[in-house]
Amino acid sequence: NAGVTQTPKFQVLKTGQSMTLQCAQDMNHEYMSWYRQDPGMGLRLIHYSVGAGITDQGEVPNGYNVSRSTTEDFPLRLLSAAPSQTSVYFCASSLLTGGRKLFFGSGTQLSVL
Amino acid sequence: KNEVEQSPQNLTAQEGEFITINCSYSVGISALHWLQQHPGGGIVSLFMLSSGKKKHGRLIATINIQEKHSSLHITASHPRDSAVYICAVLRLTNFGNEKLTFGTGTRLTIIP
Repeated sequence: NAGVTQTPKFQVLKTGQSMTLQCAQDMNHEYMSWYRQDPGMGLRLIHYSVGAGITDQGEVPNGYNVSRSTTEDFPLRLLSAAPSQTSVYFCASSLLTGGRKLFFGSGTQLSVL
Repeated sequence: KNEVEQSPQNLTAQEGEFITINCSYSVGISALHWLQQHPGGGIVSLFMLSSGKKKHGRLIATINIQEKHSSLHITASHPRDSAVYICAVLRLTNFGNEKLTFGTGTRLTIIP
């Protein structure tokens, strides 16, 4: 049982490049989400999903796309990277019932030059 | 004003001291989470509570729903407790889904 697996751990992009952050969980969690963490700010929700085929926007969705074709996987796509997207990204998952204990991936440190 | 406020922002204490970290929120919630983020960056869920008190080892979390306040206590603190502690509240939005809002965290440093 690996929990939440998030890759890559580090990434450097040039402005305008695109990339995909991968997130997979093996706990059969319905809820999966992506957050970004910036200095002096709390974790902010980018996108979330409550099941395969269902996604919705969070607080800061602009510049990011997601899809949920399976229960296990929830990739985050940066369409055209901008320096403002330099941040640490976390994927998290939980059940939709029973208290919603969150399980986090190990994070991705992204720098956009 | 942020929906979730934590205090203090930074806390340095000697090993063995009793630690209290506070979280206040301004909205009605269905649950409150306490998370721990170690210097390496990984985030671990410590507690989820909607009333009363929970204890796990040297960690105790309490919540007062009427006062919209929660505390995280650490007894007999140890250098390995050094981390950022994050409070997050879960609430229903006007659209019928649940939203998690995070505090900015309390950075705790325990000196041997």
